[in-house]
Amino acid sequence: KQEVTQIPAALSVPEGENLVLNCSFTDSAIYNLQWFRQDPGKGLTSLLLIQSSQREQTSGRLNASLDKSSGRSTLYIAASQPGDSATYLCAVRPGGMKTSYDKVIFGPGTSLSVIP
Amino acid sequence: EAQVTQNPRYLITVTGKKLTVTCSQNMNHEYMSWYRQDPGLGLRQIYYSMNVEVTDKGDVPEGYKVSRKEKRNFPLILESPSPNQTSLYFCASRLGGEQFFGPGTRLTVL
Repeated sequence: KQEVTQIPAALSVPEGENLVLNCSFTDSAIYNLQWFRQDPGKGLTSLLLIQSSQREQTSGRLNASLDKSSGRSTLYIAASQPGDSATYLCAVRPGGMKTSYDKVIFGPGTSLSVIP
Repeated sequence: EAQVTQNPRYLITVTGKKLTVTCSQNMNHEYMSWYRQDPGLGLRQIYYSMNVEVTDKGDVPEGYKVSRKEKRNFPLILESPSPNQTSLYFCASRLGGEQFFGPGTRLTVL
């Protein structure tokens, strides 16, 4: 059974620092992995999607990597800003299933605070 | 504007009173899902739909029903709500691998 974990559960950094958020999954057979951000009481905003055949994706100050063999993905945030404060979630779409199956498994999230 | 909308955004109800949370997307996506989010348990998938008239159970389907009569709409139905269904609910639609989420519906069942 696929399980997704995220470390750390919470992180506080001063403004301007570079930081890395971690996501681990137990089964390397995945279709893709997606990173989201969630502001308190709000919906999820998609940040980056990495297909199973890709190693990394970049968008602005964000870079996400994927290492299927080790079951890990990292989200790198450069030059952090107070506006980056939010909860960051990773979600895995398991592979090797029938095409009529549309399961997605979320990690518990990392709560990030960027201190001005 | 491409978006997923949910209504209502907030709902307080009583045990046993049937309710429906609507979800609509304007992106012509085939895949749609419902999730609930609870402290300490994260996001869990309730039901999903691959296309019109095609739905299947996620991880926590008990106490919920869905229907997909039109491509754009995917309502979540609670026939007899109970307090353990108090939660934050999200609808999502998907194109290829990328999911797009609605703003959420905060449901309280007294």
